[in-house]
Amino acid sequence: GAGVSQSPSNKVTEKGKDVELRCDPISGHTALYWYRQSLGQGLEFLIYFQGNSAPDKSGLPSDRFSAERTGGSVSTLTIQRTQQEDSAVYLCASSFPGQGSEQYFGPGTRLTVT
Amino acid sequence: LAKTTQPISMDSYEGQEVNITCSHNNIATNDYITWYQQFPSQGPRFIIQGYKTKVTNEVASLFIPADRKSSTLSLPRVSLSDTAVYYCLVGDPMDSNYQLIWGAGTKLIIKP
Repeated sequence: GAGVSQSPSNKVTEKGKDVELRCDPISGHTALYWYRQSLGQGLEFLIYFQGNSAPDKSGLPSDRFSAERTGGSVSTLTIQRTQQEDSAVYLCASSFPGQGSEQYFGPGTRLTVT
Repeated sequence: LAKTTQPISMDSYEGQEVNITCSHNNIATNDYITWYQQFPSQGPRFIIQGYKTKVTNEVASLFIPADRKSSTLSLPRVSLSDTAVYYCLVGDPMDSNYQLIWGAGTKLIIKP
């Protein structure tokens, strides 16, 4: 079956522009996570969606970052007025209900802000 | 959340058994131990999860001593394709913050 997919795989943008990153979770997974990973570092939690509950936004680094999840499936992470420090790989994962469940990760979107 | 400590990097050779130890001195009663593997340019992949003693699957074994203050991921007869970063995560599966805190992991390099 299909795994988690993310698009685009690579995105180069100019400082100050807005970007949208997309995540398609595995069908049936009600939990969806966004992480950010800088080169050589571990994963930094950004936001967590579980079903119809209010998302856990505690990891969003600034108000330039926002995310939506429409219809309990596809999610979009939006970064407004991008800065060079936003350059990283953005990873999406999904899982069955319960945060202890195994997370299935997508391939990530590599964002480069010039 | 229990803090975890892992070696930054390890080297080994093809065909050897590799053991990566993770320290988690403040592990709580309800905490589980989970390991993920990440290849370059890919997202992490679940390897194994355990609570106590020993867990084994087709990929690895996880050894957890009685005091649970550490755990050891064992990879039997490694190959070049096992070169990756390995992450140890500790937390209560029912805790809302479980698996949301990732360290830098252990970079394992397998040599021919």
